[in-house]
Amino acid sequence: NAGVMQNPRHLVRRRGQEARLRCSPMKGHSHVYWYRQLPEEGLKFMVYLQKENIIDESGMPKERFSAEFPKEGPSILRIQQVVRGDSAAYFCASSELYQETQYFGPGTRLLVL
Amino acid sequence: AQKVTQAQTEISVVEKEDVTLDCVYETRDTTYYLFWYKQPPSGELVFLIRRNSFDEQNEISGRYSWNFQKSTSSFNFTITASQVVDSAVYFCALSGYAGGTSYGKLTFGQGTILTVHP
Repeated sequence: NAGVMQNPRHLVRRRGQEARLRCSPMKGHSHVYWYRQLPEEGLKFMVYLQKENIIDESGMPKERFSAEFPKEGPSILRIQQVVRGDSAAYFCASSELYQETQYFGPGTRLLVL
Repeated sequence: AQKVTQAQTEISVVEKEDVTLDCVYETRDTTYYLFWYKQPPSGELVFLIRRNSFDEQNEISGRYSWNFQKSTSSFNFTITASQVVDSAVYFCALSGYAGGTSYGKLTFGQGTILTVHP
């Protein structure tokens, strides 16, 4: 059973460009979560999604960041007009319905030049 | 608001020593879940254990053991006879009820860097 898949594993963008991070949950998992790991801030929750619904986006920056989990296909975390401060590791996690354990993907390391 | 505190930023031990990683949490939820995750140098996050707030039984899995004490809001993790491969960052995390069908977001502690020397 494949784990949570994230791609790309590494992404380099110049300031002002867009970054698209993809996450395919484990088979049978209908909940997806995104977290960001900054060197001095640790792991922080960003957004929680179920298929076609955003359940909790309390950790998402108000501007430039968006997330979706369509009926078909992976979940996407989109960062528009990236700035140097967006450089971080972005982790996706998934869980089954009615299950609280979140399983994490390998992360996407975003570097903004 | 929920909070998780891992007061030990870094711990260094020699192989075969026992080591305990501390975790203290704060929550107003009556039902919640506690977790430990391991982040080895390769960078992925590996799930180790989940505990719910109604189950205070200690758990042992091989060289790993966990001590959950609701009275002190602590969920400590002990590695017995540590090995070099245990070197990693260890995170304690907490989730509370977020409505609907799941418990939603995890609140993480700052992590403890464990280095096991040969």
